[in-house]
Amino acid sequence: KNEVEQSPQNLTAQEGEFITINCSYSVGISALHWLQQHPGGGIVSLFMLSSGKKKHGRLIATINIQEKHSSLHITASHPRDSAVYICAGGGGETSGSRLTFGEGTQLTVNP
Amino acid sequence: KAGVTQTPRYLIKTRGQQVTLSCSPISGHRSVSWYQQTPGQGLQFLFEYFSETQRNKGNFPGRFSGRQFSNSRSEMNVSTLELGDSALYLCASSLIVLPGGELFFGEGSRLTVL
Repeated sequence: KNEVEQSPQNLTAQEGEFITINCSYSVGISALHWLQQHPGGGIVSLFMLSSGKKKHGRLIATINIQEKHSSLHITASHPRDSAVYICAGGGGETSGSRLTFGEGTQLTVNP
Repeated sequence: KAGVTQTPRYLIKTRGQQVTLSCSPISGHRSVSWYQQTPGQGLQFLFEYFSETQRNKGNFPGRFSGRQFSNSRSEMNVSTLELGDSALYLCASSLIVLPGGELFFGEGSRLTVL
């Protein structure tokens, strides 16, 4: 079992739909990153969370450190949101600064 | 403000050779971390450097090494290349040490080992 698990692995949505991607982790962490990777490889950091909720445009990320769970929401999805979304956690007692990554969620938004 | 620059972008090596990859962080960023991405294993943490000191290392053999210079530029080296080392190698820079701080990724160095 991976230390960081994402669901779903693949997600297809229609333009305008509300999307949720989940990230659960089995080890203690102090911070969690949400990343976006487009075809071609470039990775962009969306959020870094240690508690609560953050919002940037149509993107919202939440985290509950005690329940070891984070979610990434996309409101009013658009085809340009199509990408792989990856969560990564770190800062636990055993991992220290090492980041452990989820397998990624492939999102496709159709017009 | 210039982004994170990785060189070379593409390279082909043969088994047994060694390779050195370079990463120039955003000006003012002192944390540089390295990652390996493969279709089978996904993204994996290699190591992090801050102020020329390695802070942490992932679960990789000793053939993988790195260093950071006083200007925060970092290099990673893989010796005695194996076919399984074929991957996209990414570096990221940050103002503060991991796991906190926003990460800024380079475009990666794609290594093919024949």
